[in-house]
Amino acid sequence: GAGVSQSPRYKVAKRGQDVALRCDPISGHVSLFWYQQALGQGPEFLTYFQNEAQLDKSGLPSDRFFAERPEGSVSTLKIQRTQQEDSAVYLCASRQTAGAGANVLTFGAGSRLTVL
Amino acid sequence: TQLLEQSPQFLSIQEGENLTVYCNSSSVFSSLQWYRQEPGEGPVLLVTVVTGGEVKKLKRLTFQFGDARKDSSLHITAAQPGDTGLYLCAGVLHNDMRFGAGTRLTVKP
Repeated sequence: GAGVSQSPRYKVAKRGQDVALRCDPISGHVSLFWYQQALGQGPEFLTYFQNEAQLDKSGLPSDRFFAERPEGSVSTLKIQRTQQEDSAVYLCASRQTAGAGANVLTFGAGSRLTVL
Repeated sequence: TQLLEQSPQFLSIQEGENLTVYCNSSSVFSSLQWYRQEPGEGPVLLVTVVTGGEVKKLKRLTFQFGDARKDSSLHITAAQPGDTGLYLCAGVLHNDMRFGAGTRLTVKP
């Protein structure tokens, strides 16, 4: 597609529920990033994929967070047993190349998660 | 603790005023980027600076990368209400990008 598409745009979950957030990157983009953005804050790095390989998951806040990109295109961020502190906007971004030399990230509009 | 510290956190000014926002770090970056984010949308890239001491201009916006590639500034001349938004700096480290907490700018007509 023309841009990065994320779904759902809004998700309300009860504490303890599992959620799955989907990201469709720009077709052919090698790199994919997930960020968490709390209200009034900048995006916090969660994880990075190069094709299907998850090269960096150092930003995932706990083992309740899991991300995958099995075929090197669509990615899913899964949060198990959601807690109120998980409430945030989850941003996905893709980049055409793997290298940092052409660092143009295109962001999706985000998925806003509210945990009650 | 943020890898990149932005200041000020909030800025409210009148239309026509000038302003500068800062992005500082103890880390050296291969490049640094500035983004602008509107409510309900993802950040949109404004500029990338790569060389220490580099200055780039984008209409009324002037971006500068510090000589040591650890800090950057964004200067806006004659601010307009359309400049209102969240301004984010992001440092490139290897393949990753890390963001500052942002400066929320409000320009009043």
